[in-house]
Amino acid sequence: AQSVTQLGSHVSVSEGALVLLRCNYSSSVPPYLFWYVQYPNQGLQLLLKYTSAATLVKGINGFEAEFKKSETSFHLTKPSAHMSDAAEYFCAVSTSGSARQLTFGSGTQLTVLP
Amino acid sequence: DGGITQSPKYLFRKEGQNVTLSCEQNLNHDAMYWYRQDPGQGLRLIYYSQIVNDFQKGDIAEGYSVSREKKESFPLTVTSAQKNPTAFYLCASRKKGEFGNTIYFGEGSWLTVV
Repeated sequence: AQSVTQLGSHVSVSEGALVLLRCNYSSSVPPYLFWYVQYPNQGLQLLLKYTSAATLVKGINGFEAEFKKSETSFHLTKPSAHMSDAAEYFCAVSTSGSARQLTFGSGTQLTVLP
Repeated sequence: DGGITQSPKYLFRKEGQNVTLSCEQNLNHDAMYWYRQDPGQGLRLIYYSQIVNDFQKGDIAEGYSVSREKKESFPLTVTSAQKNPTAFYLCASRKKGEFGNTIYFGEGSWLTVV
């Protein structure tokens, strides 16, 4: 079984400040981990993914995430927030298998204050 | 450009009616998925298909039906048996990669029951 917990359903940061969105997972096997972003009324866009190649993963729009096995975490960060980063962010976990399915967290709404 | 196309983007349905949401992809992906998204919740899997002429129930399949007659198409029918169909529906397809699979999403369809 696998699950994802996103701490904080709403996060507010000032423009130019550090963005930190938290994600913890549980998985019985080594996981694949993903961060998706959803802008209003749109589908999900892949930000980045962890597939065991490297623990620090760089994604689009300046975002990155670090896989920490000991903490079962995959937190998303960006050094300097931009107004255009305001969106909802979803962490997701997947395991190997013939019926690969993604399990999503409940999402974190990021607000960027001017 | 390749991608996933969902239609219609907005749909209104009267109670007791069946409606079908279209999902087409030209990415040559084998696997396709339907998710439902409700406010404050993560995505929940309705149905998925790993190959043409085969599909499996997800976590919340009751009141929904699908077909997979062509690789490119995976339509979802919301039947009158679905008790609470008002939601945002996302279609997705899966790309197999050397370092794992990645899920790509369409733009979504808003269904409102009136």
